Amino acid sequence: AQRVTQPEKLLSVFKGAPVELKCNYSYSGSPELFWYVQYSRQRLQLLLRHISRESIKGFTADLNKGETSFHLKKPFAQEEDSAMYYCALSGAGGYQKVTFGTGTKLQVIP
Amino acid sequence: DTGVSQDPRHKITKRGQNVTFRCDPISEHNRLYWYRQTLGQGPEFLTYFQNEAQLEKSRLLSDRFSAERPKGSFSTLEIQRTEQGDSAMYLCASSLYSGHNNEQFFGPGTRLTVL
Repeated sequence: AQRVTQPEKLLSVFKGAPVELKCNYSYSGSPELFWYVQYSRQRLQLLLRHISRESIKGFTADLNKGETSFHLKKPFAQEEDSAMYYCALSGAGGYQKVTFGTGTKLQVIP
Repeated sequence: DTGVSQDPRHKITKRGQNVTFRCDPISEHNRLYWYRQTLGQGPEFLTYFQNEAQLEKSRLLSDRFSAERPKGSFSTLEIQRTEQGDSAMYLCASSLYSGHNNEQFFGPGTRLTVL
Protein backbone atom coordinates (compact mmCIF):
# COMPACT_ATOMS: atom_id res chain seq x y z
CA ALA A 1 0.00 0.00 0.00
CA GLN A 2 1.17 3.50 -0.67
CA ARG A 3 0.64 6.28 1.82
CA VAL A 4 1.64 9.92 2.11
CA THR A 5 1.67 11.74 5.43
CA GLN A 6 1.74 15.50 5.86
CA PRO A 7 1.72 16.05 9.62
CA GLU A 8 0.93 19.75 9.60
CA LYS A 9 -2.44 21.06 8.50
CA LEU A 10 -1.32 24.66 8.87
CA LEU A 11 2.11 26.26 8.87
CA SER A 12 2.43 29.96 9.58
CA VAL A 13 5.71 31.76 8.99
CA PHE A 14 6.77 35.37 8.72
CA LYS A 15 7.85 36.81 5.41
CA GLY A 16 11.55 36.22 4.92
CA ALA A 17 11.66 33.24 7.30
CA PRO A 18 12.66 29.76 6.12
CA VAL A 19 9.91 27.31 5.23
CA GLU A 20 9.87 23.53 5.56
CA LEU A 21 6.76 21.56 4.69
CA LYS A 22 7.07 17.99 5.86
CA CYS A 23 6.14 14.92 3.84
CA ASN A 24 6.74 11.29 4.73
CA TYR A 25 5.74 8.37 2.59
CA SER A 26 5.27 4.64 2.69
CA TYR A 27 5.88 2.60 -0.44
CA SER A 28 7.45 -0.78 -1.03
CA GLY A 29 9.10 -0.06 -4.39
CA SER A 30 10.83 2.91 -5.99
CA PRO A 31 8.52 5.89 -5.70
CA GLU A 32 8.17 9.04 -7.69
CA LEU A 33 7.47 12.00 -5.42
CA PHE A 34 5.80 15.28 -6.30
CA TRP A 35 4.70 18.51 -4.69
CA TYR A 36 1.51 20.10 -5.96
CA VAL A 37 0.31 23.57 -5.02
CA GLN A 38 -3.11 25.18 -5.05
CA TYR A 39 -3.26 28.96 -4.81
CA SER A 40 -6.48 30.65 -3.74
CA ARG A 41 -9.22 30.23 -6.37
CA GLN A 42 -6.88 28.40 -8.73
CA ARG A 43 -6.64 24.79 -9.78
CA LEU A 44 -4.15 22.29 -8.45
CA GLN A 45 -0.82 22.44 -10.29
CA LEU A 46 2.50 20.66 -10.17
CA LEU A 47 5.22 22.54 -8.28
CA LEU A 48 8.11 20.12 -8.58
CA ARG A 49 9.04 16.45 -8.80
CA HIS A 50 12.02 14.71 -7.29
CA ILE A 51 13.36 13.27 -10.54
CA SER A 52 13.82 16.75 -11.98
CA ARG A 53 16.01 17.93 -9.12
CA GLU A 54 15.04 21.48 -9.94
CA SER A 55 14.19 24.56 -7.93
CA ILE A 56 10.83 26.13 -8.70
CA LYS A 57 9.92 29.54 -7.28
CA GLY A 58 12.79 29.09 -4.83
CA PHE A 59 11.43 25.77 -3.52
CA THR A 60 13.48 22.58 -3.42
CA ALA A 61 12.75 19.08 -2.19
CA ASP A 62 15.14 16.21 -1.67
CA LEU A 63 14.07 12.60 -1.61
CA ASN A 64 15.52 10.86 1.45
CA LYS A 65 14.91 7.16 0.99
CA GLY A 66 16.40 6.29 4.37
CA GLU A 67 13.93 8.49 6.20
CA THR A 68 11.23 8.04 3.54
CA SER A 69 10.77 11.79 3.39
CA PHE A 70 10.38 14.43 0.72
CA HIS A 71 10.25 17.71 2.61
CA LEU A 72 9.68 20.94 0.71
CA LYS A 73 11.96 23.82 1.60
CA LYS A 74 12.45 27.46 0.79
CA PRO A 75 15.02 29.68 2.49
CA PHE A 76 12.99 32.91 2.48
CA ALA A 77 9.19 32.84 2.40
CA GLN A 78 7.29 35.34 0.28
CA GLU A 79 3.67 36.43 0.71
CA GLU A 80 2.79 34.93 -2.66
CA ASP A 81 3.82 31.50 -1.37
CA SER A 82 0.66 31.35 0.74
CA ALA A 83 -1.28 28.37 -0.61
CA MET A 84 -2.21 24.73 -0.02
CA TYR A 85 0.63 22.32 -0.67
CA TYR A 86 0.10 18.63 -1.36
CA CYS A 87 2.76 15.97 -1.40
CA ALA A 88 2.03 13.08 -3.79
CA LEU A 89 3.50 9.72 -4.67
CA SER A 90 3.26 7.29 -7.55
CA GLY A 91 5.08 4.13 -8.46
CA ALA A 92 8.14 4.41 -10.70
CA GLY A 93 7.30 4.42 -14.36
CA GLY A 94 3.96 6.04 -13.74
CA TYR A 95 2.01 2.79 -13.98
CA GLN A 96 0.38 3.16 -10.64
CA LYS A 97 -2.10 5.59 -9.20
CA VAL A 98 -1.05 8.85 -7.58
CA THR A 99 -1.63 9.08 -3.85
CA PHE A 100 -1.91 12.54 -2.30
CA GLY A 101 -1.33 13.64 1.27
CA THR A 102 -3.92 15.64 3.17
CA GLY A 103 -2.16 18.91 2.44
CA THR A 104 -0.54 21.70 4.42
CA LYS A 105 -1.79 25.23 4.29
CA LEU A 106 1.14 27.65 4.23
CA GLN A 107 0.36 31.09 5.55
CA VAL A 108 3.05 33.72 5.12
CA ILE A 109 2.55 36.61 7.50
CA PRO A 110 3.65 40.01 6.14
CA ASP B 1 -8.43 28.01 -22.82
CA THR B 2 -6.51 24.87 -23.67
CA GLY B 3 -6.47 23.44 -20.16
CA VAL B 4 -8.57 20.65 -18.69
CA SER B 5 -12.23 21.60 -18.49
CA GLN B 6 -15.02 20.11 -16.43
CA ASP B 7 -18.75 20.48 -16.67
CA PRO B 8 -20.76 21.36 -14.70
CA ARG B 9 -18.79 23.34 -12.17
CA HIS B 10 -21.47 22.91 -9.53
CA LYS B 11 -24.23 20.36 -9.15
CA ILE B 12 -26.89 20.18 -6.47
CA THR B 13 -29.05 17.08 -6.46
CA LYS B 14 -31.41 15.21 -4.20
CA ARG B 15 -30.48 11.93 -2.63
CA GLY B 16 -31.29 9.03 -4.90
CA GLN B 17 -30.87 10.93 -8.15
CA ASN B 18 -28.27 10.09 -10.80
CA VAL B 19 -25.65 12.62 -11.84
CA THR B 20 -23.12 12.70 -14.66
CA PHE B 21 -20.01 14.82 -14.91
CA ARG B 22 -17.91 15.47 -17.97
CA CYS B 23 -14.18 16.07 -18.31
CA ASP B 24 -12.41 17.32 -21.41
CA PRO B 25 -8.66 16.72 -21.14
CA ILE B 26 -5.89 18.63 -22.80
CA SER B 27 -5.88 17.66 -26.45
CA GLU B 28 -3.76 14.59 -27.20
CA HIS B 29 -3.21 13.72 -23.55
CA ASN B 30 -3.44 9.95 -23.37
CA ARG B 31 -4.12 9.60 -19.65
CA LEU B 32 -7.15 10.86 -17.78
CA TYR B 33 -7.72 10.62 -14.03
CA TRP B 34 -10.67 11.12 -11.73
CA TYR B 35 -10.25 12.12 -8.10
CA ARG B 36 -12.60 13.00 -5.28
CA GLN B 37 -11.72 15.60 -2.69
CA THR B 38 -13.57 16.28 0.53
CA LEU B 39 -12.99 19.11 2.97
CA GLY B 40 -9.62 18.92 4.66
CA GLN B 41 -8.41 16.04 2.55
CA GLY B 42 -6.16 15.70 -0.45
CA PRO B 43 -7.43 14.41 -3.77
CA GLU B 44 -8.41 10.75 -3.48
CA PHE B 45 -7.82 8.57 -6.52
CA LEU B 46 -10.92 7.06 -8.12
CA THR B 47 -9.90 5.73 -11.51
CA TYR B 48 -7.76 6.40 -14.55
CA PHE B 49 -7.72 5.73 -18.27
CA GLN B 50 -4.99 5.35 -20.80
CA ASN B 51 -6.67 6.26 -24.07
CA GLU B 52 -10.04 4.48 -23.87
CA ALA B 53 -8.91 1.69 -21.52
CA GLN B 54 -9.76 1.96 -17.84
CA LEU B 55 -6.53 0.71 -16.23
CA GLU B 56 -7.25 1.01 -12.55
CA LYS B 57 -10.24 1.57 -10.35
CA SER B 58 -10.10 2.34 -6.65
CA ARG B 59 -11.69 -0.10 -4.25
CA LEU B 60 -13.41 2.95 -2.81
CA LEU B 61 -15.41 3.25 -6.01
CA SER B 62 -18.67 1.50 -5.33
CA ASP B 63 -20.87 -0.09 -7.96
CA ARG B 64 -22.85 3.12 -8.07
CA PHE B 65 -19.91 4.86 -9.75
CA SER B 66 -18.99 4.32 -13.37
CA ALA B 67 -16.59 6.12 -15.65
CA GLU B 68 -16.11 5.97 -19.39
CA ARG B 69 -13.79 7.40 -21.97
CA PRO B 70 -15.32 5.96 -25.12
CA LYS B 71 -13.15 7.55 -27.79
CA GLY B 72 -10.07 8.20 -25.75
CA SER B 73 -10.84 11.90 -25.52
CA PHE B 74 -13.46 13.23 -23.08
CA SER B 75 -14.60 11.21 -20.09
CA THR B 76 -17.79 10.97 -18.07
CA LEU B 77 -18.23 10.00 -14.44
CA GLU B 78 -21.70 8.86 -13.44
CA ILE B 79 -22.96 8.39 -9.91
CA GLN B 80 -26.19 6.48 -9.56
CA ARG B 81 -28.56 6.74 -6.59
CA THR B 82 -26.54 9.51 -5.00
CA GLU B 83 -26.04 9.57 -1.24
CA GLN B 84 -25.17 12.46 1.03
CA GLY B 85 -21.71 10.98 1.48
CA ASP B 86 -21.07 11.53 -2.22
CA SER B 87 -20.96 15.28 -1.64
CA ALA B 88 -17.44 16.33 -2.62
CA MET B 89 -15.34 18.04 -5.25
CA TYR B 90 -14.72 15.76 -8.21
CA LEU B 91 -11.46 16.53 -9.96
CA CYS B 92 -10.30 15.46 -13.36
CA ALA B 93 -6.69 15.50 -14.51
CA SER B 94 -4.91 14.55 -17.70
CA SER B 95 -1.35 13.78 -18.64
CA LEU B 96 0.77 12.89 -21.64
CA TYR B 97 2.40 9.78 -20.32
CA SER B 98 5.73 9.01 -22.01
CA GLY B 99 7.29 6.42 -19.71
CA HIS B 100 9.05 8.79 -17.38
CA ASN B 101 7.01 11.95 -17.28
CA ASN B 102 3.53 11.82 -15.82
CA GLU B 103 2.81 15.42 -14.88
CA GLN B 104 -0.88 15.73 -14.31
CA PHE B 105 -2.82 18.84 -15.28
CA PHE B 106 -5.93 19.39 -13.23
CA GLY B 107 -9.31 20.79 -14.11
CA PRO B 108 -11.26 23.22 -11.93
CA GLY B 109 -13.42 20.46 -10.50
CA THR B 110 -17.15 19.80 -10.19
CA ARG B 111 -18.59 20.45 -6.75
CA LEU B 112 -21.40 18.03 -5.97
CA THR B 113 -23.87 18.67 -3.17
CA VAL B 114 -26.34 15.92 -2.35
CA LEU B 115 -29.29 17.09 -0.28
